[in-house]
Amino acid sequence: AQTVTQSQPEMSVQEAETVTLSCTYDTSESNYYLFWYKQPPSRQMILVIRQEAYKQQNATENRFSVNFQKAAKSFSLKISDSQLGDTAMYFCAFMKRPLRMDSSYKLIFGSGTRLLVRP
Amino acid sequence: GAVVSQHPSWVICKSGTSVKIECRSLDFQATTMFWYRQFPKQSLMLMATSNEGSKATYEQGVEKDKFLINHASLTLSTLTVTSAHPEDSSFYICSALPDRHLATNEKLFFGSGTQLSVL
Repeated sequence: AQTVTQSQPEMSVQEAETVTLSCTYDTSESNYYLFWYKQPPSRQMILVIRQEAYKQQNATENRFSVNFQKAAKSFSLKISDSQLGDTAMYFCAFMKRPLRMDSSYKLIFGSGTRLLVRP
Repeated sequence: GAVVSQHPSWVICKSGTSVKIECRSLDFQATTMFWYRQFPKQSLMLMATSNEGSKATYEQGVEKDKFLINHASLTLSTLTVTSAHPEDSSFYICSALPDRHLATNEKLFFGSGTQLSVL
């Protein structure tokens, strides 16, 4: 079974600074995806960034980037130039890539990191 | 972008009554939808995988008779909490995987969630 671990329950960062959220996972699969989702106070789940395991290049989306270390099974999220709107719960998630089209695409979440951006 | 509509946003009911929550994919077809449960300040726990035209697949520990799932069409899945009790009070979130998921880079799209309070 796959597990996702986020060891930082809460983080705080000054506006405009950079913060890194940690995530480790455990799997025996070779084909999978990793995600970071943001859940603001509205509780709407918002996809922040996505990484395919077969790609060595780290994914980036504007101010958000990841450090994907496949051998170490580590997938950290770096937020640059933090903004007040970044205040939210951040979840790391794992999805095994099924081999067949009719297999289930289950998304397994970590416990989350609450990020507070201070003005 | 793909939109998933979830209704109602919140519901209050008396103990012993049943509550139905709808999850609709508005601009895409979804053979597969997922139902999650989230307690305050905790992560999302997968309850079941909803499959159009077949029975739902429940995660270990989730009562099938308590949480009835019906995937009536390619755009609609419903979760019915039967004979609800206060311990069923929670935030329920659905997500959908577009059938053309390869075109959407295999992303899940989330509904806005339903807060259920059982008195």
